Amino acid sequence: EVQLVESGGGLVQPGGSLRLSCAASGFTFSSYWMSWVRQAPGKGLEWVANIKQDGSEKYYVDSVKGRFTISRDNAKNSLYLQMNSLRAEDTAVYYCARGYSTPGYWGQGTLVTVSS
Amino acid sequence: EIVMTQSPATLSVSPGERATLSCRASQSVSSNLAWYQQKPGQAPRLLIYGASTRATGIPARFSGSGSGTEFTLTISSLQSEDFAVYYCQQYNNWPPVTFGGGTKVEIK
Repeated sequence: EVQLVESGGGLVQPGGSLRLSCAASGFTFSSYWMSWVRQAPGKGLEWVANIKQDGSEKYYVDSVKGRFTISRDNAKNSLYLQMNSLRAEDTAVYYCARGYSTPGYWGQGTLVTVSS
Repeated sequence: EIVMTQSPATLSVSPGERATLSCRASQSVSSNLAWYQQKPGQAPRLLIYGASTRATGIPARFSGSGSGTEFTLTISSLQSEDFAVYYCQQYNNWPPVTFGGGTKVEIK
């Protein structure tokens, strides 16, 4: 069974940093692109970033470029999102998803709240 | 960036009735269009990809159509478990992948 389990969310002050993790199981992690998608409270879905199987290609939505870094460790079956210089508008549930175009598997999400 | 616009924002439908949801792209996305269902407190669930191909395990009452800039998701006979928010998403021109704002299907 495919499982994606996010962790690392929480309350952080504006300008602070947070690192999200996604533990993958039930499939060959190194064979898939992986993505982060977020959802602000009561709002729609926004793709944040994705990463190729070997980490050689990474893409970001403009609003997080230069502040967020996506990475992966295929030996640990894990995906990461390092978030720096956090802003109030980054407050959202962050989902880890398998794939880059039409993710068929999603985690349950981890809530990031940016507030003083 | 391709902008995806969904209509209506809210659709009130009685159980057993047909629901038709629309999605428009600001420029052609060919057939690279997906639909997701999301229930409160849950992650999105992939329903349709390639504009009309049902994902694994999705009931036949869900169907997608369209190409280019105009797309439709039809739920032929609404069941109680279908009341949710539905999102369209283009993956023709990326990055970024972009989502529509969603259509909430509620009980009439």
